[in-house]
Amino acid sequence: QSVLTQPPSASGTPGQRVTISCSGSISNIGSNTVNWYQQVPGTAPKLLIYSDNQRPSGVPDRFSGSKSGTSASLAVSGLQSEDEADYHCAAWDDSLYALVFGTGTKVTVL
Amino acid sequence: QVQLVESGGGVVQPGRSLRLSCAASQFPFSQYPIHWVRQAPGKGLEWVAVISSDGTSKYYADSVKGRFTISRDNSKNTLSLQMNSLRPDDTALYFCARDWGASHGLDVWGLGTTVTVS
Repeated sequence: QSVLTQPPSASGTPGQRVTISCSGSISNIGSNTVNWYQQVPGTAPKLLIYSDNQRPSGVPDRFSGSKSGTSASLAVSGLQSEDEADYHCAAWDDSLYALVFGTGTKVTVL
Repeated sequence: QVQLVESGGGVVQPGRSLRLSCAASQFPFSQYPIHWVRQAPGKGLEWVAVISSDGTSKYYADSVKGRFTISRDNSKNTLSLQMNSLRPDDTALYFCARDWGASHGLDVWGLGTTVTVS
């Protein structure tokens, strides 16, 4: 049972900007930083954004993260065909004492 | 290269046990907390458990608390997940993942091992 809520799908044409939301509560996103993962079907997840808006080395700057209150967002600008994947948000939950993931969003490049 | 490799998955009957392993290489294993994360077929990611770098602190998802036990052997660079009283809803691909400390970001993942409870 996912604690963080994401839209099930998002789509765009090449070059467009796509934004994915992640809604939580005071005990998770409201108190801790958010990480985002990209998962191409059939492969392991890859850390895309950490600490709300930081990119690990090697992640293109087309990917950006932000947070406000108990919600976070991932933006993909200049959409490319290789961005077609599932995207998951995650944050530590101070009430559950657990790492909680979002429901996941499938991004389709039209 | 920095790597995590899971093993031990398989098909098991409900109520039985299974032990998963995760072998680490090319990084100082004893310095990092490690998580287990699972993914049921066609579903999202579900966190299972985490163990601190020295093995003294362990936390579990409510769905596995009391049934699963996470442990590590830093002398052998290995992580384990003992799964007891398995249920059909434990069926999933199980990943181990390294916690690099920045907001519990999981920066290194294995390819996963499949557990089927049926």
